[in-house]
Amino acid sequence: DGGITQSPKYLFRKEGQNVTLSCEQNLNHDAMYWYRQDPGQGLRLIYYSQIVNDFQKGDIAEGYSVSREKKESFPLTVTSAQKNPTAFYLCASSIEVAAGAEKLFFGSGTQLSVL
Amino acid sequence: AQTVTQSQPEMSVQEAETVTLSCTYDTSESNYYLFWYKQPPSRQMILVIRQEAYKQQNATENRFSVNFQKAAKSFSLKISDSQLGDTAMYFCAFRLSGTYKYIFGTGTRLKVLA
Repeated sequence: DGGITQSPKYLFRKEGQNVTLSCEQNLNHDAMYWYRQDPGQGLRLIYYSQIVNDFQKGDIAEGYSVSREKKESFPLTVTSAQKNPTAFYLCASSIEVAAGAEKLFFGSGTQLSVL
Repeated sequence: AQTVTQSQPEMSVQEAETVTLSCTYDTSESNYYLFWYKQPPSRQMILVIRQEAYKQQNATENRFSVNFQKAAKSFSLKISDSQLGDTAMYFCAFRLSGTYKYIFGTGTRLKVLA
């Protein structure tokens, strides 16, 4: 079945450590996104990518980095510069948005916590 | 900048009753799309319903319907015949036509009571 796979489900980060969250999709979608979810704050956009080898910062990109070397993959690195990384991270994808009211397909998320 | 506001942090409804969740948004543009997403305790986000702003007819999906008031910039979700499985966080979302950025509200936690 087609879908989005996020791994790991739970991740723990030590002080000063960089960690990478994986996101893979087999939906042949062009666009991919990373959102951060905190209690009471909804979903906030970290980065998004419209095509391979291109990505744009969202509203809260500081302390995060991404790459888009393959259409299927959009990993997110939480760097040591992100001082409050504890959150639920959601990866999503969509087809070409010019087609209309295209929905986001979401992965099952990664809960990141600081040790 | 566009914003989405959900003013009801928590709501509850008796099983089989009807409940309406509110959402307002702010934009100066005329072409956009609106969405309601459901996040059950599993935390998997699921699309409930979507609406194109150029369509005057309100979208419906089985027990779920919207009341889209473009002039008032309001997009409420009505759930009829509520079921225990409707217990979830519900997020309203907005996207401008031709852009990739989806903007989400802060969510409404709905609890359906047996």
